Amino acid sequence: AQSVTQPDIHITVSEGASLELRCNYSYGATPYLFWYVQSPGQGLQLLLKYFSGDTLVQGIKGFEAEFKRSQSSFNLRKPSVHWSDAAEYFCAVAGRDSSYKLIFGSGTRLLVRP
Amino acid sequence: GAGVSQTPSNKVTEKGKYVELRCDPISGHTALYWYRQSLGQGPEFLIYFQGTGAADDSGLPNDRFFAVRPEGSVSTLKIQRTERGDSAVYLCASSLLGVGATGELFFGEGSRLTVL
Repeated sequence: AQSVTQPDIHITVSEGASLELRCNYSYGATPYLFWYVQSPGQGLQLLLKYFSGDTLVQGIKGFEAEFKRSQSSFNLRKPSVHWSDAAEYFCAVAGRDSSYKLIFGSGTRLLVRP
Repeated sequence: GAGVSQTPSNKVTEKGKYVELRCDPISGHTALYWYRQSLGQGPEFLIYFQGTGAADDSGLPNDRFFAVRPEGSVSTLKIQRTERGDSAVYLCASSLLGVGATGELFFGEGSRLTVL
């Protein structure tokens, strides 16, 4: 079955510290991969996406993610977290033959300590 | 408006009632999607429109759920005989083409439905 696992429900980091949010997926073939962020009172916003090519992708707000085929992972990273990064983060996949149908993980809530 | 607009932002209804949720996509976006987000979960796909037609409605949970997009712009999600389990945030998104072509869905803030 197709699925996305985000093993960390909550993560707390100090402002200025580095961040890594984990995402593993189960899919028959290499899917399209996405990270979205959801802040209170705002819609889901795309941070970055991987379709093909370079496995390290850069996104908005200083985020990056690395696709590792052997581990079926697409972890999100940021070298220095800002207080405004506190939000819920969702990893998602979509099949190349049904690219309109995103399958989301259950999310990781990021808390930032001052 | 500049973004995807959803109304109402909040809807409280009683079990068994009929509900309509409206989505106004970004102007010019041909693709429109409905997702449902239950508490503590990620969004789940419901239906995808390309233009006026439902290209894929495989995510609709049962025949109490129906969606239309008669003129290829605004869409309405309709829920008949609501049940408490229908309580969730219903998200609408639009994209210029399909996900594969543009890579980005633009989401609205959602309509929170509470069924008492």
